[in-house]
Amino acid sequence: QVQLQESGPGLVKPSQTLSLTCTVSGGSITRGSSYWSWIRQPAGKGLEWIGRVSASGSTDYSPSLKSRVTISVDVSKKQFSLRLTSVTAADTAVYYCAREIVGELLNWFDPWGQGTLVTVSS
Amino acid sequence: SYELTQPPSVSVSPGQSAKITCSGDKLGDKYACWYQQKPGQSPVLVIYKDTERPSGIPERFSGSNSGNTATLTISGTQVMDEADYYCQAWDSSTEVVFGGGTKLTVL
Repeated sequence: QVQLQESGPGLVKPSQTLSLTCTVSGGSITRGSSYWSWIRQPAGKGLEWIGRVSASGSTDYSPSLKSRVTISVDVSKKQFSLRLTSVTAADTAVYYCAREIVGELLNWFDPWGQGTLVTVSS
Repeated sequence: SYELTQPPSVSVSPGQSAKITCSGDKLGDKYACWYQQKPGQSPVLVIYKDTERPSGIPERFSGSNSGNTATLTISGTQVMDEADYYCQAWDSSTEVVFGGGTKLTVL
């Protein structure tokens, strides 16, 4: 079955850009109803959706992060990526990638990657 | 913006039924799903489309959604079910909304 694995730096300096990549294995990245999402979780807190990308490259972002986020996809490598600019300590979190199934007025995330901790600190 | 509200904590004795609620304006008009997250692990989908169970999820997990409240019910709760549970729904303005999470304690 589909598995996802996040990769990228675990430490980013304030004001710099956070970049993460998610590699998809065990299944197709171009499956019809699948989107590919990033979700984050600060320590001890809840889940926050960041945004999604389709295999064709169309994107949707959380309104609260839209000005700083770019999500892209490389179908040939079965990877999708997250860029978050101008980071602050508030962006410190575990970042998850996940497959998102989207339908008419509904969506869900399954499966999730194992998550990667990104700390913003000088 | 649309909000989903969950109780911070729920306690249940082993073998009893646990009910975790998720409240939102006219939530019953949307589809809700639920995730289980154990300490140090990624969330796992346990219910989608209000009542559907993914393959591999035990039958003791069930869901319902009506009015303003979606409910995750765990029948015959086991110690292994102790975890944080998050509800989630789609919203036209924010696309994705998560509840704040409920810590289920089995003791």
